[in-house]
Amino acid sequence: DQQVKQNSPSLSVQEGRISILNCDYTNSMFDYFLWYKKYPAEGPTFLISISSIKDKNEDGRFTVFLNKSAKHLSLHIVPSQPGDSAVYFCAFTGNQFYFGTGTSLTVIP
Amino acid sequence: DVKVTQSSRYLVKRTGEKVFLECVQDMDHENMFWYRQDPGLGLRLIYFSYDVKMKEKGDIPEGYSVSREKKERFSLILESASTNQTSMYLCASSVLTEKLFFGSGTQLSVL
Repeated sequence: DQQVKQNSPSLSVQEGRISILNCDYTNSMFDYFLWYKKYPAEGPTFLISISSIKDKNEDGRFTVFLNKSAKHLSLHIVPSQPGDSAVYFCAFTGNQFYFGTGTSLTVIP
Repeated sequence: DVKVTQSSRYLVKRTGEKVFLECVQDMDHENMFWYRQDPGLGLRLIYFSYDVKMKEKGDIPEGYSVSREKKERFSLILESASTNQTSMYLCASSVLTEKLFFGSGTQLSVL
């Protein structure tokens, strides 16, 4: 049973525009919600997180939104840059970490 | 900065070989994890460990075993490598369950 879903396998965005990546989950008991970024042939790196008691967290160009009633997490990147092109994984933590299947973002110069 | 080091970036092995993937972390983290990443499947948990000498099965433990003799080191063992174990293997460590720190990964090809 997949507890975390990223329904868009890929996304293309023009440089300077907003990128919105989405994630849905089923388990209401998650404590923290995280986004990781992964370049080819490298390990994922932590990007931004939000605790279950908040609905928004911002760090520079990256903002994460949590909608608990809809069980939906999103990542906004504004403005998008070519260096943002990577695979993005959402993750949730309870007693362990649960990852989505990833969304491959391409930012077109 | 937390450093998680995986011993090899690329490995090529033959079917039936015993394969050892080593992982070391330098931040005294209790928790260590092994994942594999395959296109379209995301990160799937193979095994994890919350303390020395203990291990727990993840979602896809079949064909794998692990060893944690020291707190900083967590090894993944493929007892008899098969072609369907060709994948990117990622080691990670954490304190509690707030954030995972990943190694650079090992791209394993089994021929």
